[in-house]
Amino acid sequence: QKEVEQNSGPLSVPEGAIASLNCTYSDRVSQSFFWYRQYSGKSPELIMSIYSNGDKEDGRFTAQLNKASQYVSLLIRDSQPSDSATYLCAVKAQAGTALIFGKGTTLSVSS
Amino acid sequence: GAVVSQHPSWVICKSGTSVKIECRSLDFQATTMFWYRQFPKQSLMLMATSNEGSKATYEQGVEKDKFLINHASLTLSTLTVTSAHPEDSSFYICSATLAGGPSYNEQFFGPGTRLTVL
Repeated sequence: QKEVEQNSGPLSVPEGAIASLNCTYSDRVSQSFFWYRQYSGKSPELIMSIYSNGDKEDGRFTAQLNKASQYVSLLIRDSQPSDSATYLCAVKAQAGTALIFGKGTTLSVSS
Repeated sequence: GAVVSQHPSWVICKSGTSVKIECRSLDFQATTMFWYRQFPKQSLMLMATSNEGSKATYEQGVEKDKFLINHASLTLSTLTVTSAHPEDSSFYICSATLAGGPSYNEQFFGPGTRLTVL
């Protein structure tokens, strides 16, 4: 059974702080890792993808991947109230196969 | 580019009726489409994987006779919930992957369909 684990939260941070979201996965052959943001009642939107060990930065977002530890994280710098949403970690074994989602972490950024 | 649409965006039906949900890739050809279901405050659960021109592959625990999936073309997949019951009320989301190219690894999501069965 392929599993993706996330802390459901809620994670509460003040505006301007760094939010750190974590995810672990069970399938060692996983090759692709994604972070999605989902607002209530909406479908997920892609924030970051990462395929190799290390850090990948895109604006205020940094994804970190450690395949040996089967761990992927997302850092959000200078958090804004508009970042308040549920963040879904998703893993894929190989191109063309389905994404397997974690349960998501709810982030609340207070102004 | 890479836009996926779903129709309808929401539907309310009576128990025992069937409901069809369409998923279209608007500006690309999708070799594979995926159907997910999401209950309130839960994550997306994969229901089935659909490849154009072949039978869908259903995940364990998903009744293939209840959730009929047809993927007749590279731009259209349909999910029919047959004899719907209140427990089928959920948010149904489709996604699609590009037929080759550098974005083959990405999944593009539709806006979802909210189904309420009375």
